[in-house]
Amino acid sequence: DGGITQSPKYLFRKEGQNVTLSCEQNLNHDAMYWYRQDPGQGLRLIYYSQIVNDFQKGDIAEGYSVSREKKESFPLTVTSAQKNPTAFYLCASSITRDRDEAFFGQGTRLTVV
Amino acid sequence: AQTVTQSQPEMSVQEAETVTLSCTYDTSESDYYLFWYKQPPSRQMILVIRQEAYKQQNATENRFSVNFQKAAKSFSLKISDSQLGDAAMYFCAYRRGGGATNKLIFGTGTLLAVQP
Repeated sequence: DGGITQSPKYLFRKEGQNVTLSCEQNLNHDAMYWYRQDPGQGLRLIYYSQIVNDFQKGDIAEGYSVSREKKESFPLTVTSAQKNPTAFYLCASSITRDRDEAFFGQGTRLTVV
Repeated sequence: AQTVTQSQPEMSVQEAETVTLSCTYDTSESDYYLFWYKQPPSRQMILVIRQEAYKQQNATENRFSVNFQKAAKSFSLKISDSQLGDAAMYFCAYRRGGGATNKLIFGTGTLLAVQP
């Protein structure tokens, strides 16, 4: 079945560590996105990529990094510079046509311990 | 910058009744798209309905319909014959058209409870 797979579902990070969240899609979508979800704040865009080897910062990119070496994969690294990383992270992908919706993965819950 | 506002943090509806969730947005663009997404307790985001700004006709998907008021920049979602499975967080989202960028901008969400 086609879809977006995020892993792991739950992730625990110690203070000062970098962690990487995985996002893979087999929908042949060009565009991929990372969103952060906090209670009462909706979804905020961290990074997005519309083509392989290219990506742009979203509204809250500080403390995060991404890569897009393959069309299918868009991993997100939460670095130690991110001051408050505990949140729910959602990856999405879409065809680049405007009217098409984004398809979402099932998310990763990151907790700093 | 474009913004999306959902002014109702929580709503409640009786099963089989109708409920309307509000959304307003701010943009200077004329070409854009609007979406309603549902996030049930599983946290999987599911598209409910979409509206193209150039279309005057309001979108409808089964029990879900929208009231799109372009001049007022309003995009409300009406759920008819509410069912227990409709209980979820609902997000309104905006996407600018023209292909320049495809990022979705979300509102803060409305948590809908359905009472049996």
